[in-house]
Amino acid sequence: AQSVTQLDSHVSVSEGTPVLLRCNYSSSYSPSLFWYVQHPNKGLQLLLKYTSAATLVKGINGFEAEFKKSETSFHLTKPSAHMSDAAEYFCVVTPDRGSTLGRLYFGRGTQLTVWP
Amino acid sequence: KAGVTQTPRYLIKTRGQQVTLSCSPISGHRSVSWYQQTPGQGLQFLFEYFSETQRNKGNFPGRFSGRQFSNSRSEMNVSTLELGDSALYLCASSGGTRNGEQFFGPGTRLTVL
Repeated sequence: AQSVTQLDSHVSVSEGTPVLLRCNYSSSYSPSLFWYVQHPNKGLQLLLKYTSAATLVKGINGFEAEFKKSETSFHLTKPSAHMSDAAEYFCVVTPDRGSTLGRLYFGRGTQLTVWP
Repeated sequence: KAGVTQTPRYLIKTRGQQVTLSCSPISGHRSVSWYQQTPGQGLQFLFEYFSETQRNKGNFPGRFSGRQFSNSRSEMNVSTLELGDSALYLCASSGGTRNGEQFFGPGTRLTVL
């Protein structure tokens, strides 16, 4: 079975400080992992994806994530937060085989607040 | 390249009515998936269509149905609407590779009164 746990429902940081959004996953098969961001009243935008290549994945807007198989984690980081980063972030897993191939499993989301 | 478009963007219906939502994928994409987003349940998978065939289905009642046309455009239908069907319905398209990224539309906000 596939599932995602986002360890924090809310994260608040000051502008210019680092961001860490935590995600643990469970997958019956080798997973592909994604981080999506959703700004208010907008659809979901892909930040980055891991598909069994390099374990450190760089995405858009300065975000990156590291796949750690031993810890079943895929945490999202950014060295310096910007006001425009305030949004909801979703960690997503999809298996690379099996009956649910192609289906995305979403975490419950982490709301990121950035203070000036 | 145009993104995923969804119509209408907002919809208000009353209990018992039915509704049809439309999604036009990115040109060349053959896979369309539908998701329901609510504050209580988060993002949940409804179904996926590929080349006019339903390839995957989530755990929703039969009141939720969909179809895909030969031009890859997709519709989803909800019959006998319930208050709990109020949600943001998101459509996503992809090239069809089974672990490829999905591109999301802006969603249709459905309110059931």
